Amino acid sequence: AQKVTQAQTEISVVEKEDVTLDCVYETRDTTYYLFWYKQPPSGELVFLIRRNSFDEQNEISGRYSWNFQKSTSSFNFTITASQVVDSAVYFCALSGGNNAGNMLTFGGGTRLMVKP
Amino acid sequence: DGGITQSPKYLFRKEGQNVTLSCEQNLNHDAMYWYRQDPGQGLRLIYYSQIVNDFQKGDIAEGYSVSREKKESFPLTVTSAQKNPTAFYLCASSKSSGVGEETQYFGPGTRLLVL
Repeated sequence: AQKVTQAQTEISVVEKEDVTLDCVYETRDTTYYLFWYKQPPSGELVFLIRRNSFDEQNEISGRYSWNFQKSTSSFNFTITASQVVDSAVYFCALSGGNNAGNMLTFGGGTRLMVKP
Repeated sequence: DGGITQSPKYLFRKEGQNVTLSCEQNLNHDAMYWYRQDPGQGLRLIYYSQIVNDFQKGDIAEGYSVSREKKESFPLTVTSAQKNPTAFYLCASSKSSGVGEETQYFGPGTRLLVL
């Protein structure tokens, strides 16, 4: 069975602070895919990134960066110089390579509040 | 503009009533999905469909039904058998259902409330 744990249910920071959202996963699949989604107050999930299990390179996109470490089964997400618009719930999700149906297993989400 | 639309944005259900949530996509995606989100929680899969006229149960299918008569449409019916239907419902689609690598894209959601 697959599992995704986001231990931080809520994080509050002041604008311009850096913040890291943790994601730990469990899977028996040798090939798998990890995702991050952002859910702003409007409710729609916005896709941020997909990472394959065989590619451990970290990725940076503007103020966003992701640290994938297979050794610790973690896929953490860092926002540099946070802004009020970053306030949202962030979900980490996992899909297995042997998973017929492309089903995602979601973590419980981390609510990020960025105060001005 | 390509995307996923869901309607209505808010839906009220009376006791014993069946209600249908609409989901349409114009992304030419083969696979479509329905998720339920309860307050403060992650998403749970209700049903998914890999191709037209085929669909599979997810983790919490009881009390729900779906159809997939057209590629672009995947309506979800919340039946009277669903005893606790109040939740936020999200529809998603992906290019194919493949082997897990396809990214799912989500619609804006429908909030269902019981009167």
